[in-house]
Amino acid sequence: GNSVTQMEGPVTLSEEAFLTINCTYTATGYPSLFWYVQYPGEGLQLLLKATKADDKGSNKGFEATYRKETTSFHLEKGSVQVSDSAVYFCALSDNYGQNFVFGPGTRLSVLP
Amino acid sequence: DGGITQSPKYLFRKEGQNVTLSCEQNLNHDAMYWYRQDPGQGLRLIYYSQIVNDFQKGDIAEGYSVSREKKESFPLTVTSAQKNPTAFYLCASSISGTGGIKNIQYFGAGTRLSVL
Repeated sequence: GNSVTQMEGPVTLSEEAFLTINCTYTATGYPSLFWYVQYPGEGLQLLLKATKADDKGSNKGFEATYRKETTSFHLEKGSVQVSDSAVYFCALSDNYGQNFVFGPGTRLSVLP
Repeated sequence: DGGITQSPKYLFRKEGQNVTLSCEQNLNHDAMYWYRQDPGQGLRLIYYSQIVNDFQKGDIAEGYSVSREKKESFPLTVTSAQKNPTAFYLCASSISGTGGIKNIQYFGAGTRLSVL
């Protein structure tokens, strides 16, 4: 079945550091890929998406590129802020309707 | 503004009691979902519905029940059979369950359930 694997957290960075959170997936066909963010005590918000190979999703300084050859969708940000502290979930949606799969989440803490 | 409203934000359950969590959406979405999130954990799917009057069990349906009598509403009942109900419950909806970007899920703010 479909699955998503994320790097284990927590990830702790200083403000203005470079962020990478790794995400790899297993799926049949050509899934759509997503990153969601969850701030403390809140629901999940869609951060960015990519629907086909080589697409780059971007939002709020975050970006991720759909790499079919490595089945990856790593999240990056050039300079993190304290306000980026949250849990980040990688997810995929296959093209057959039955599966929307979330990764386990990676907690990011950014220190001033 | 369109969105998903979950209520209440906090809920307390006494032993042996059934409690119902509300989820309402005005996005005109066909599909709705319920997830459970335990502290420091990911999401686990409880139930989902792709159309009115139809719903399917997810990975951890035991001890829970749902109904989908209206497109906008997908309430979740946590029954007394659920022995460990303390968790954060998240409701989501998507345009449909037919795949690709139509499956993009939009979430409510969640309900935190605790046992007294």
